[in-house]
Amino acid sequence: EDKVVQSPLSLVVHEGDTVTLNCSYEVTNFRSLLWYKQEKKAPTFLFMLTSSGIEKKSGRLSSILDKKELFSILNITATQTGDSAVYLCAVGRSGNTPLVFGKGTRLSVIA
Amino acid sequence: NAGVTQTPKFQVLKTGQSMTLQCAQDMNHEYMSWYRQDPGMGLRLIHYSVGAGITDQGEVPNGYNVSRSTTEDFPLRLLSAAPSQTSVYFCASSLVLGSVTQYFGPGTRLLVL
Repeated sequence: EDKVVQSPLSLVVHEGDTVTLNCSYEVTNFRSLLWYKQEKKAPTFLFMLTSSGIEKKSGRLSSILDKKELFSILNITATQTGDSAVYLCAVGRSGNTPLVFGKGTRLSVIA
Repeated sequence: NAGVTQTPKFQVLKTGQSMTLQCAQDMNHEYMSWYRQDPGMGLRLIHYSVGAGITDQGEVPNGYNVSRSTTEDFPLRLLSAAPSQTSVYFCASSLVLGSVTQYFGPGTRLLVL
């Protein structure tokens, strides 16, 4: 059965800290890995990764994929209270199949 | 573009009632899907569609029906609501299934008493 596992499930940090969120996967016909940020409502897209070792970066957020070890990390540096959210990892597979989502990591950044 | 829209935003039902959650997108996306999100469970796929006239079951399809008569609309029907269907429902669409960005609607919060 295809699965995506995120860790930790929840995390509390202070403003200014750096955090690393993990996503491991076991899927057949892997095609891509996506990260989303979800605050109070719908998820918003952060990154899509398809190749190993190539870092995607957007401001203080970055992500990288390791297709050999089957995982991805999402890094957030100099965290701010506005980074508080649930971060979702999802894996896309080849063929006509939907994304497989992990359960998410709830990040709380306190001042 | 309005993107993905969902109505209603919030609904209260009694056990046994039926209702339809509406979802529409104006991006000409072929792929649309319905998810439910419950605390600690993440997003779980209910049904999805790869184009008009084509639908398939996801992880948790029981108690829900869908149809896709047009590219734009993908309604989700609850046939006989149960308290276990209390959840937040998200509709999403993307140009291609599975491996590109999905655009999510704002969600419908459903409470079944």
